[in-house]
Amino acid sequence: QKEVEQNSGPLSVPEGAIASLNCTYSDRVSQSFFWYRQYSGKSPELIMSIYSNGDKEDGRFTAQLNKASQYVSLLIRDSQPSDSATYLCAVSNSNSGYALNFGKGTSLLVTP
Amino acid sequence: GAGVSQSPRYKVAKRGQDVALRCDPISGHVSLFWYQQALGQGPEFLTYFQNEAQLDKSGLPSDRFFAERPEGSVSTLKIQRTQQEDSAVYLCASSEGPNRYGYTFGSGTRLTVV
Repeated sequence: QKEVEQNSGPLSVPEGAIASLNCTYSDRVSQSFFWYRQYSGKSPELIMSIYSNGDKEDGRFTAQLNKASQYVSLLIRDSQPSDSATYLCAVSNSNSGYALNFGKGTSLLVTP
Repeated sequence: GAGVSQSPRYKVAKRGQDVALRCDPISGHVSLFWYQQALGQGPEFLTYFQNEAQLDKSGLPSDRFFAERPEGSVSTLKIQRTQQEDSAVYLCASSEGPNRYGYTFGSGTRLTVV
């Protein structure tokens, strides 16, 4: 079982809608959580980080963390076609040392 | 420089050939990471440097993979006797400190072994 799980998608939402991306992780002692956006043929770009339970908002993006349920999510409000990309969830914990454990990513398609 | 720079951008190697991939991190960044990303997968950790010290090489898939950062800045990932399963994008990332705060990736080197 992979440590970080994401639905590969594709997740298709209409322009202007809210896109909801989910991620579960297996290690209860995980400490830091990140969302990266990766456009096709490009490298991952850090868009959000979250370290404690609850919500963290940054512009149109909201990260949500629930350590008891071991899931982290990313909400994108007012989705735009330019948001179409693969979204990677990454987790760090004491067992991973210096590494980030990435999920496979969820492909998001925002249709005009 | 303004960002993490990697070269070459693309590399085609014949099976059995040795390759060297270069990473030039953001100036002053202590931490440097190498990841491997296969098609349709998330990045997989290979190795980590703090300055010139290689503190973690647990992700290197075999002894054909070797990384160095002799002066604590530029790093080279070397793959000896390349195999087809080595075909992937190799990503370098740097940060001011350990991974707790996320980091910036370079544009990657796409290696194709034929």
